[in-house]
Amino acid sequence: SYELTQPPSVSVSPGQTAGITCSGDNLGEKYACWFQQKPGQSPLLVIYQDSKRPSGIPERFSGSNSGNTATLTISGTQAMDEADYYCQAWDNNTAVFGGGTKLTVL
Amino acid sequence: QVQLVQSGAEVKQPGASVKVSCKASGYTFSNYYIHWVRQAPGQGLEWMGIINPSDGSTRYVQKFQGRVTMTRDMSTRTVYMELSRLRSDETAVYYCARDRDIIVVPAGIVVGRNWFDPWGQGTLVTVSS
Repeated sequence: SYELTQPPSVSVSPGQTAGITCSGDNLGEKYACWFQQKPGQSPLLVIYQDSKRPSGIPERFSGSNSGNTATLTISGTQAMDEADYYCQAWDNNTAVFGGGTKLTVL
Repeated sequence: QVQLVQSGAEVKQPGASVKVSCKASGYTFSNYYIHWVRQAPGQGLEWMGIINPSDGSTRYVQKFQGRVTMTRDMSTRTVYMELSRLRSDETAVYYCARDRDIIVVPAGIVVGRNWFDPWGQGTLVTVSS
């Protein structure tokens, strides 16, 4: 079955740029999206179709997808961005999620 | 605004069934797929399947085939997910999530460009003897 691999954790200083990767075989040939999940809350879509932002999502969130890796980039990271982030793609008519990355802002 | 409100927490014994509801409001119910996703405590997200409220068609992840049933009630704008023969390792929060984009083909299920937005608040199902 298809697998998406994310680093378990990423740390960033406030105001700096954070990058979270998601790797999978030929992921660039599929569409990737990203969810943010804060403790005790439901996931929130922050990037879809590789690089599109839903309304209400700050411009500091951006995405890219090429080759075997999709990347979520958070520019000017704020304390409120501390959360778990999950990538997701479709393979063989099945939604597949990455294992999640805990973003720490310190 | 678009809202999905799920039923309350459940405690079930191993081998029992659970039926979770997801009531939609703020949009045309028949125009958007609904997905079900679960999350075990401290773990990641797992997609379980999808229902087209327009015609009731469904698609389930193979591992749940024969144990999961997704249905809808058009009169109450509610989608249901029933999971039978529960195991203790299936303790999890079960979420419903709407497709972001409107259904293009009214009948059946087409997946591949589906984005989960928004999500319900989640329903904790505890399986324990």
